[in-house]
Amino acid sequence: RKEVEQDPGPFNVPEGATVAFNCTYSNSASQSFFWYRQDCRKEPKLLMSVYSSGNEDGRFTAQLNRASQYISLLIRDSKLSDSATYLCVVTMEYGNKLVFGAGTILRVKS
Amino acid sequence: NAGVTQTPKFRILKIGQSMTLQCTQDMNHNYMYWYRQDPGMGLKLIYYSVGAGITDKGEVPNGYNVSRSTTEDFPLRLELAAPSQTSVYFCASRLTAATNEKLFFGSGTQLSVL
Repeated sequence: RKEVEQDPGPFNVPEGATVAFNCTYSNSASQSFFWYRQDCRKEPKLLMSVYSSGNEDGRFTAQLNRASQYISLLIRDSKLSDSATYLCVVTMEYGNKLVFGAGTILRVKS
Repeated sequence: NAGVTQTPKFRILKIGQSMTLQCTQDMNHNYMYWYRQDPGMGLKLIYYSVGAGITDKGEVPNGYNVSRSTTEDFPLRLELAAPSQTSVYFCASRLTAATNEKLFFGSGTQLSVL
């Protein structure tokens, strides 16, 4: 089993749609979780951290389910500019190692 | 602050050649990472370091070596380049503040081994 798994997509959605991505992780001891965004194989950029209580930043909502070992990202009112690859990141090895999922491709169309 | 600086941006190697990818950060971060990204794939961890003098293997360390003699520098060495090492390489340093944790990436190195 991979340490971090994501649905690769692509997710093709119209503007204004709501879309959700999930990411599962294998190590129950993992403590920190993040969503990164990557455009056209440029360097990834932090979208948001994922906190135990869930957190929201504008149109983006991240949630953590420790019992089922997954995190999710919800994007509301999708914009064309949201088209990108969304990468799930999980810490392992006492928080020292950062492991990326393979990424989920989102394409928002007008 | 310059952030994380990676050099070179592009490189073509012949099979069997060696090279070092340079990575420097000026943010005094203890944690640094090397990743590779193959076309259509996510980032795979090659090596990481939690401080000067300490390095550890990631998911795909074979064919690579690293050193961390200073906090600022974390070079990645390819000893005998193989076509399977054709990839984009990203170096990152990590801010580990309790409520502001994030990775700072270099702009990447596109490496082709022919």
